[in-house]
Amino acid sequence: GENVEQHPSTLSVQEGDSAVIKCTYSDSASNYFPWYKQELGKRPQLIIDIRSNVGEKKDQRIAVTLNKTAKHFSLHITETQPEDSAVYFCAASGGGGADGLTFGKGTHLIIQP
Amino acid sequence: DTGVSQDPRHKITKRGQNVTFRCDPISEHNRLYWYRQTLGQGPEFLTYFQNEAQLEKSRLLSDRFSAERPKGSFSTLEIQRTEQGDSAMYLCASSLVVGNTEAFFGQGTRLTVV
Repeated sequence: GENVEQHPSTLSVQEGDSAVIKCTYSDSASNYFPWYKQELGKRPQLIIDIRSNVGEKKDQRIAVTLNKTAKHFSLHITETQPEDSAVYFCAASGGGGADGLTFGKGTHLIIQP
Repeated sequence: DTGVSQDPRHKITKRGQNVTFRCDPISEHNRLYWYRQTLGQGPEFLTYFQNEAQLEKSRLLSDRFSAERPKGSFSTLEIQRTEQGDSAMYLCASSLVVGNTEAFFGQGTRLTVV
């Protein structure tokens, strides 16, 4: 089955700087890669996703890049703000016809004022 | 509230008891997923339904766990003979099959087995 590795587990950046979170996946057949943000005690919420036929996608301060050959994808947040502080999860699905998401272990992003 | 709703929000049970959780998906969504999340970990996929058909189950899912979605609307997840290791947040999510496959999560049911 699919295995998703996520790094780093904790990331601390100064407000206004950029943050990058990286994930690798094992199943080359996976074709859908969402990123979820989870604030303490709340539900995971989708912030951006990318499919395997696209190399990059951007939505305001958030962007995701996908390298299918290397089987890795990254989340980029620019001009970080205090409200960006949360746990971010990457996920992958679609390999072998499986539609359940396989999540990484999460990155705790801390925005320092 | 038109989002995914789960009931109860919290459940404390004694080891060996059976528990059942309910999930009501977004009304037009025909896919429904169950995940389990423990502290400091990402959600772990358990099973999913497309309408009333259960299409996929995790190999890690114990036979003490069973899920149903009898009319293709709400779903129930039952855990029989609970163990302390079952303590976790149980999350439900729903999505459309065609087009947008974004999965919307519910608030979860926090299970504590004592």
